[in-house]
Amino acid sequence: DTAVSQTPKYLVTQMGNDKSIKCEQNLGHDTMYWYKQDSKKFLKIMFSYNNKELIINETVPNRFSPKSPDKAHLNLHINSLELGDSAVYFCASSQGLVSGANVLTFGAGSRLTVL
Amino acid sequence: DAKTTQPNSMESNEEEPVHLPCNHSTISGTDYIHWYRQLPSQGPEYVIHGLTSNVNNRMASLAIAEDRKSSTLILHRATLRDAAVYYCILRDSFGSGNTGKLIFGQGTTLQVKP
Repeated sequence: DTAVSQTPKYLVTQMGNDKSIKCEQNLGHDTMYWYKQDSKKFLKIMFSYNNKELIINETVPNRFSPKSPDKAHLNLHINSLELGDSAVYFCASSQGLVSGANVLTFGAGSRLTVL
Repeated sequence: DAKTTQPNSMESNEEEPVHLPCNHSTISGTDYIHWYRQLPSQGPEYVIHGLTSNVNNRMASLAIAEDRKSSTLILHRATLRDAAVYYCILRDSFGSGNTGKLIFGQGTTLQVKP
């Protein structure tokens, strides 16, 4: 069983379209995250949810809307896709947010290509 | 957010030890030192973390300076599979103005030669 699973693994779409990436974790963790890795390989945090509550929103354009139906799922919906949205998106989870000792488990990534 | 400084790249020979340095001179008393690595075309993977004392696990060892302003990740016998980008990250607890974020820097690209 994959601990943090993301779907789809690859996504190719046209500018202006709306798309979603789904993430599920079976670790029983309370906190989930979305990270974006651009072509220069920098990993940037986008969002963090703790028990379905938004904790971190790193000034991401409001075209990006995370949704957490329950604490095991954190989906990322992107409206009006732009070329600059092309990247690899990683979902992650951790036991919690309070302790700095909590470690993150990452998914395998979803590569989004906007044409 | 506290920051770390790592060399851009390092090389190692297979089956030799590797010492990956990290400077974090602005570390606060409650920051944990985390190391993650990212193998090609994979998601980041947890390696090890510590607060003040040196730590060992099945993957690596973490040596933390007494003043905590630097640390070293030690891979005891590098294999080809250890070729990856290694990230040294400081993580604080959530609360009191801290967000508990894990902020990735540029990391060190480790090349392992056969």
